Order: sequence, then C-alpha cells, then structure tokens
Amino acid sequence: EADIYQTPRYLVIGTGKKITLECSQTMGHDKMYWYQQDPGMELHLIHYSYGVNSTEKGDLSSESTVSRIRTEHFPLTLESARPSHTSQYLCASSEVGRENTEAFFGQGTRLTVV
Amino acid sequence: AQKVTQAQTEISVVEKEDVTLDCVYETRDTTYYLFWYKQPPSGELVFLIRRNSFDEQNEISGRYSWNFQKSTSSFNFTITASQVVDSAVYFCALSEEGGSEKLVFGKGTKLTVNP
Repeated sequence: EADIYQTPRYLVIGTGKKITLECSQTMGHDKMYWYQQDPGMELHLIHYSYGVNSTEKGDLSSESTVSRIRTEHFPLTLESARPSHTSQYLCASSEVGRENTEAFFGQGTRLTVV
Repeated sequence: AQKVTQAQTEISVVEKEDVTLDCVYETRDTTYYLFWYKQPPSGELVFLIRRNSFDEQNEISGRYSWNFQKSTSSFNFTITASQVVDSAVYFCALSEEGGSEKLVFGKGTKLTVNP
C-alpha cells in the first residue's frame, strides 16, 4: 500500500474562491507529480518536482501553482477557481536514481467548481 | 512526440472470460518505459507492471499477462478467467525519461466484469 495521501477527497467550491489541494508522502521520495484527470478519464501531467525548491510545469497548461518547501509535501493551489477547473487531481511520487521504480499515486481529489 | 493509444473505450465481459486490453504507443526514443495501471472506483491508480524497451520478454503474474512487441509498438494486457473484482479502468502509460517521470497516459479502458 502506497504512503501518499491527498486531502480533501472531494471538494465543492464556488467560483472565485482560492483553494489548496494537499498532497503528502511518507516514503522520502524526491520526485512528485500532479496529474489532472478529465471527466473522460484521460490523465495529463500539470506539475512536477524533482526535490525541494524545484517545480516545473507539465505537458498540460494549468492555471494552478505548486510549491515544494518540504520533501514530503507538494500542495497545489488555485488562486481563483472556475468551473473549467472541475476535474480530478491525482498526486504521485517516485524515487530518484532507481531503475525499477514506479510512481505511487494518491487517491485523488475530486474538485467541483460551481 | 510521445503518444499512447488505447482504442477500446469500454469492454464488458462475463466472469471467467479471458479479456485482452490493447495498448499501442509512439515514441522516437530508443529507451523508454511502459506501464499499466489499474484505477478502481475508489480513484487511486494502482501500479501493475513496468517494462523497459530493452526487455521484450512477456510476463505473467497470476491471472495477468503482458505481451510486449516492439515490432508493432504494442504492449497488450490479458486477464485470464476474469473476476468481478477486476472491474476498473486500466491505463497504459509511457515514459521516456528513465523511470516514472512524466508519464504519458492513454485514455484508459473501462472493464466491466459481470457475474
């Protein structure tokens, strides 16, 4: 069982609100990722980090921002939520420097903006 | 550019049937990694297998087996004697950067196993 946690699991929020989705892992992994999953199921990488103070944008443009102040914590923030942000957000982590590692995923946050 | 195609959007079978989920990938790199993940209704992605481009051996793990063919750029997944608990969305994914960095996912195949 993976030790990566996301909160909240479900969030319904009004347009214009600021929200932060939390992601924490206890495995000491340096690499962390955020994926956005469409209602049609496809997943796209929106942010990733290779360690503390390292953040990069992924393949899918996103209005969200991330920070990596501690190894175990990789929160995602939306300054002003809009209905187009309605989606599931999945956080993942993996080890650095191991050939046979895999990414461990959290259970996701299902965000609905009304 | 990388791309993963899972042409089967939904598959429905009766328990104990065998089922194969197709995955076709595109990449310009000679070194790459392929993955299968399972997403049950609870939402998390569960890792099933990782295969690098230099290892074309097929793999069997219990009722699961994978057929990797570089000649056709395919990495198909077969469940033998399917069970209701196998019902989930299955994703095939590709990474070009040595590990699980920046996975490119297919659109997923929703498998329903009926009793």
